[in-house]
Amino acid sequence: DTEVTQTPKHLVMGMTNKKSLKCEQHMGHRAMYWYKQKAKKPPELMFVYSYEKLSINESVPSRFSPECPNSSLLNLHLHALQPEDSALYLCASSQDRLAGGFTDTQYFGPGTRLTVL
Amino acid sequence: AQTVTQSQPEMSVQEAETVTLSCTYDTSESDYYLFWYKQPPSRQMILVIRQEAYKQQNATENRFSVNFQKAAKSFSLKISDSQLGDAAMYFCAYRAQYGNKLVFGAGTILRVKS
Repeated sequence: DTEVTQTPKHLVMGMTNKKSLKCEQHMGHRAMYWYKQKAKKPPELMFVYSYEKLSINESVPSRFSPECPNSSLLNLHLHALQPEDSALYLCASSQDRLAGGFTDTQYFGPGTRLTVL
Repeated sequence: AQTVTQSQPEMSVQEAETVTLSCTYDTSESDYYLFWYKQPPSRQMILVIRQEAYKQQNATENRFSVNFQKAAKSFSLKISDSQLGDAAMYFCAYRAQYGNKLVFGAGTILRVKS
């Protein structure tokens, strides 16, 4: 089963709110990813976790804070966001046979559509 | 740095006909992976097909097949017997053999006419 789940599906928040996005997979994958996607654009990589350790941070502003509590879960904590942060946030996972090395096909979740007012 | 180019912003195809989406890429690596992802209006990214660069045989998945030309750095997707459900944005993506990053093209919107 190649399923990645994300909650919530939609989120509306004010610029002073704190909220979290959640991602879960039960495929035994050890690499997990957060992407940001604007309409009609390709996804932009934000963070990569490999074996529960942050391996890539694509210079994302600190108002986005990722967390990987265990090998199945990935969170993205949001605080003091700006209206330009409104986008679809996609989570993905893949096998990672070597920590930080070879990774297999990435499978994506359905995304969380975030609106910042 | 690797780049992926999809030169067709939009394509249209009649239902039951065949359409080919183009993708070219630039890399100095000899081993890598190429992917086509489909993103329908629901915006779930769905893997369509995957190709390993060391394999000369073109990948196929039911009605979807690729024409992989390694020397030309070209990786086109052919959709046969197009169906209404094929309407989506299609992204070509590259991944180095050892790495986590997917490099995406800009995408091609495919419209299917009934």
